[in-house]
Amino acid sequence: EPEVTQTPSHQVTQMGQEVILRCVPISNHLYFYWYRQILGQKVEFLVSFYNNEISEKSEIFDDQFSVERPDGSNFTLKIRSTKLEDSAMYFCASTDTGTGEVGQYFGPGTRLTVT
Amino acid sequence: AQSVTQLDSQVPVFEEAPVELRCNYSSSVSVYLFWYVQYPNQGLQLLLKYLSGSTLVKGINGFEAEFNKSQTSFHLRKPSVHISDTAEYFCAVSVDSSASKIIFGSGTRLSIRP
Repeated sequence: EPEVTQTPSHQVTQMGQEVILRCVPISNHLYFYWYRQILGQKVEFLVSFYNNEISEKSEIFDDQFSVERPDGSNFTLKIRSTKLEDSAMYFCASTDTGTGEVGQYFGPGTRLTVT
Repeated sequence: AQSVTQLDSQVPVFEEAPVELRCNYSSSVSVYLFWYVQYPNQGLQLLLKYLSGSTLVKGINGFEAEFNKSQTSFHLRKPSVHISDTAEYFCAVSVDSSASKIIFGSGTRLSIRP
């Protein structure tokens, strides 16, 4: 069964450093998403991406964040200058609305630890 | 705006007992409703979803949920749980557009005792 993959599974970085989290969505999916879950808190929506542009973003997704689909398979989330409060589990998701299917498929997550 | 409330942060049950995980939502527009499960050290897996039609929805692993519009609820049930059901369960909503963002509840940790 096709699945969303994410790398790395765990990333440790120092405050102020840039990080790039990588995702490979399911191959025929058209919509891509990033969510995050701070330890002990809800899963929160960050951004959605379609047709090579952001379709929606939350207030969390400020100028420090950016997303990119650099090629036909990868979808990345970049945090330009990490802060301690960016420590969280980051989930990538994708969905294929071309078939009318509803429901997003999530990757296993990347745990980001900012020290 | 939409919101989801999961009233129970933890639900302990004995193996083979029934379980109900409660979920209430708030929205001024029509929504899709979901339950996701997160097993330890894994990602989020779609358990079931309600889009329209029959209010009783069956999902994977023997779970089902019932949509109640008047009570704005979408409770998850299983008649007999197994140790393998130990996980975090998230109720979620999205506006009834297939590409909309998903809004999650705070989760309910289901722990199964032998």
